[in-house]
Amino acid sequence: EIVLTQSPDTLSLSPGERATLSCRASQGVSTYLAWYQHKYGQAPRLLIYDASNRATGIPARFSGSGSGTDFTLTISSLDPEDFAVYYCQQRSSWPLTFGGGTKVEIK
Amino acid sequence: QVQLVESGGGVVQPGGSLRLSCAASGFMFSSYGMNWVRQAPGKGLEWVSFIRYDGSTIYYAKSVKGRFTISRDNSKNTVDLQMNSLTTEDTAVYYCAKDLYTSGWGFFDPWGQGTLVTVSS
Repeated sequence: EIVLTQSPDTLSLSPGERATLSCRASQGVSTYLAWYQHKYGQAPRLLIYDASNRATGIPARFSGSGSGTDFTLTISSLDPEDFAVYYCQQRSSWPLTFGGGTKVEIK
Repeated sequence: QVQLVESGGGVVQPGGSLRLSCAASGFMFSSYGMNWVRQAPGKGLEWVSFIRYDGSTIYYAKSVKGRFTISRDNSKNTVDLQMNSLTTEDTAVYYCAKDLYTSGWGFFDPWGQGTLVTVSS
């Protein structure tokens, strides 16, 4: 099973600041990696797929990069609605796995 | 627009069974794989099961294999999750999620709002 490790656990930032979230895979997943945003009481939302492709309707301030074992989600300028938990997820091999999540909170 | 609506959650005793259902609309259901993903209280997301668009391929997480059964009815645009031998570890919000691609599998877009399953005596 591929283990995804996200860091940091929590990111405390102010609106307008840049957020950089990391996801490391225990073995290479090529670019078969996605990022999701999850707000309490809501359905998770796909942000990025195949490591760097923005999903439909996702603002340009969200970007993804990386391949192999190291991946990054960047939010260029935090909007108040961006404070949430973010998960990475791989589809390189079964079982599909998620990282433990990074909470982006208001400083 | 694409809509996924889960139902069937509730409170069940340990060792009991429950059947979840997901009603899909707004897309060609028979062309997409479907998944169940869960989130236990205070925990992260955990993929549970996948069924290919035609039902020919099915996968389960190790934690539910042998206890849960996924199925689909392409004539009714529904995907079900039969859960047997439930334990307290199965307490979670269960989400239905559509595959992003028609070909391939493994990314989820969109997700339903979820249904809560509580296993408690």
